[in-house]
Amino acid sequence: GEDVEQSLFLSVREGDSSVINCTYTDSSSTYLYWYKQEPGAGLQLLTYIFSNMDMKQDQRLTVLLNKKDKHLSLRIADTQTGDSAIYFCAETLNNNDMRFGAGTRLTVKP
Amino acid sequence: DAGVIQSPRHEVTEMGQEVTLRCKPISGHDYLFWYRQTMMRGLELLIYFNNNVPIDDSGMPEDRFSAKMPNASFSTLKIQPSEPRDSAVYFCASIPWGDSLDTQYFGPGTRLTVL
Repeated sequence: GEDVEQSLFLSVREGDSSVINCTYTDSSSTYLYWYKQEPGAGLQLLTYIFSNMDMKQDQRLTVLLNKKDKHLSLRIADTQTGDSAIYFCAETLNNNDMRFGAGTRLTVKP
Repeated sequence: DAGVIQSPRHEVTEMGQEVTLRCKPISGHDYLFWYRQTMMRGLELLIYFNNNVPIDDSGMPEDRFSAKMPNASFSTLKIQPSEPRDSAVYFCASIPWGDSLDTQYFGPGTRLTVL
């Protein structure tokens, strides 16, 4: 497809793990990104993964990449209320443009 | 609604020249963001405004960059003097308010090339 696809909503309980999934479009994407948008703030780069990797871990964040299926996921361990935000998946295209998903709205319940 | 409007769409200039990028947010939106996108760094937040007031400019790379928002319907990002490493796509985005999870509305971007 032509769109980067993400589920629009995810709700988890505090302390649980959150997994946000994304399907991207361009199998030649060099970098794949996860951004976080909190209320009243700009997009913040959370993490990125280079296309020759299949996993990247950074503290509570784990990124998994399945190039065959063009599937990217972000796992947040021990999710906290402060993790409530919109999470955007993004890919780079051949012309160096970026394509963003519509964002997954994560709600963390106490 | 016309969406977020940016101009110019493409700009090619020589090193040392002043560059001014323009943005018109969606009418009624209180927040305006300036981003820079490069291959190596992805999308970087440069600065954002709330009700025309700069809130966080910690992403502005250096003193050569400045941004203004003289009124609710117009903002500029200026680079003086420009350098080849400033070549990127510059996006402007706006959101209605800051107290809810609301997706940002992006402009089409200005592709800047500094020779």
